[in-house]
Amino acid sequence: KAGVTQTPRYLIKTRGQQVTLSCSPISGHRSVSWYQQTPGQGLQFLFEYFSETQRNKGNFPGRFSGRQFSNSRSEMNVSTLELGDSALYLCASSWEEPPSYGYTFGSGTRLTVV
Amino acid sequence: AQSVTQPDIHITVSEGASLELRCNYSYGATPYLFWYVQSPGQGLQLLLKYFSGDTLVQGIKGFEAEFKRSQSSFNLRKPSVHWSDAAEYFCAVDFSGNTPLVFGKGTRLSVIA
Repeated sequence: KAGVTQTPRYLIKTRGQQVTLSCSPISGHRSVSWYQQTPGQGLQFLFEYFSETQRNKGNFPGRFSGRQFSNSRSEMNVSTLELGDSALYLCASSWEEPPSYGYTFGSGTRLTVV
Repeated sequence: AQSVTQPDIHITVSEGASLELRCNYSYGATPYLFWYVQSPGQGLQLLLKYFSGDTLVQGIKGFEAEFKRSQSSFNLRKPSVHWSDAAEYFCAVDFSGNTPLVFGKGTRLSVIA
């Protein structure tokens, strides 16, 4: 059974650019959540999608957005990148309710903003 | 704001020694409690979780954790540490059963021979 797949694994972008990260959940999982991990702030919740609807949103600026497609695949987008957006972005999928009870995490996308 | 505290940033133990990693959380009526492990460059792997029932839960890789409601704690233990256990460990809490996970800042575990 394939796990949660995040692409790309590594990304280098310049300040001011935008970036799109992709997450393919485990087959059958309808909930996808995104977390940002930095050395200073630790793991912080970005948003959660369920059946193409955003159910929860963390305390991040509007530059951070996401969406979920009908096949449950999810993308997150960060516009006007700042140096502080450099982080490991983790995606987790789940079929359980609440979704936190059954998270499977991907290996993450390492974003570096220069 | 609801928070999760892991008081130990870094712990070093000898291989074969016992381990206890501490986790405390701010008040939550019916918390869902989790421990995850992260190896360098990897995502998070679930070690164990607690929702209800027996307050001592068993997980993978020989880990166990005990929920103590009166102390708002969920400490992780292992009786004998292996070199492969060296990693970062995160405690996480879903405070009401349908809210995003709040993570502690993590405890880095080093294992020496």
